[in-house]
Amino acid sequence: SQQGEEDPQALSIQEGENATMNCSYKTSINNLQWYRQNSGRGLVHLILIRSNEREKHSGRLRVTLDTSKKSSSLLITASRAADTASYFCATGGLSQGGSEKLVFGKGTKLTVNP
Amino acid sequence: SQTIHQWPATLVQPVGSPLSLECTVEGTSNPNLYWYRQAAGRGLQLLFYSVGIGQISSEVPQNLSASRPQDRQFILSSKKLLLSDSGFYLCAWSAPARGSFDEQYFGPGTRLTVT
Repeated sequence: SQQGEEDPQALSIQEGENATMNCSYKTSINNLQWYRQNSGRGLVHLILIRSNEREKHSGRLRVTLDTSKKSSSLLITASRAADTASYFCATGGLSQGGSEKLVFGKGTKLTVNP
Repeated sequence: SQTIHQWPATLVQPVGSPLSLECTVEGTSNPNLYWYRQAAGRGLQLLFYSVGIGQISSEVPQNLSASRPQDRQFILSSKKLLLSDSGFYLCAWSAPARGSFDEQYFGPGTRLTVT
């Protein structure tokens, strides 16, 4: 399975600190994406990094991708209480049947304490 | 701009009753459409996806079915609900002709409780 696995499962930090979440996967990918989900809501796309990219930035977000280690990290700098949410990585590639699909991990639940 | 709607937001149904969840997308044509289920505290499981009207791919065998009667309408159905069908159902879309593993945009979800 190419499913991503996030680590840690839960993370609690203070406002202003940085939060780092990791994602590991098993097979070749086309791209890796990070999504955020507030409790009881739909997912929001944060950032997409393609397999030939190593690092990408978007505002306070920094994503790295190491295809040799099949891993990615999401760094949120200067965290805010509003960043409290679950964060999911998703890997894009071909399914066993040859069709394209996006496979989500189980997520990291981030709590930012004010 | 594009928007995605899902309804109802919450639903409580008895075991054995039918189900119909609807998803519509505005502001785009021929989107790729997806149904996911999320169990409590878990990741998303892809149930169905569609690249066009009448074209449905099923990812896992189950008690559910999907239909796409119109370009921007995606319906999730069941003839008889099971307790295990409880969960949070999410509809999503992605731009056509860019691959179904490009960024996806999610609706607000439907919380289904089967009693």
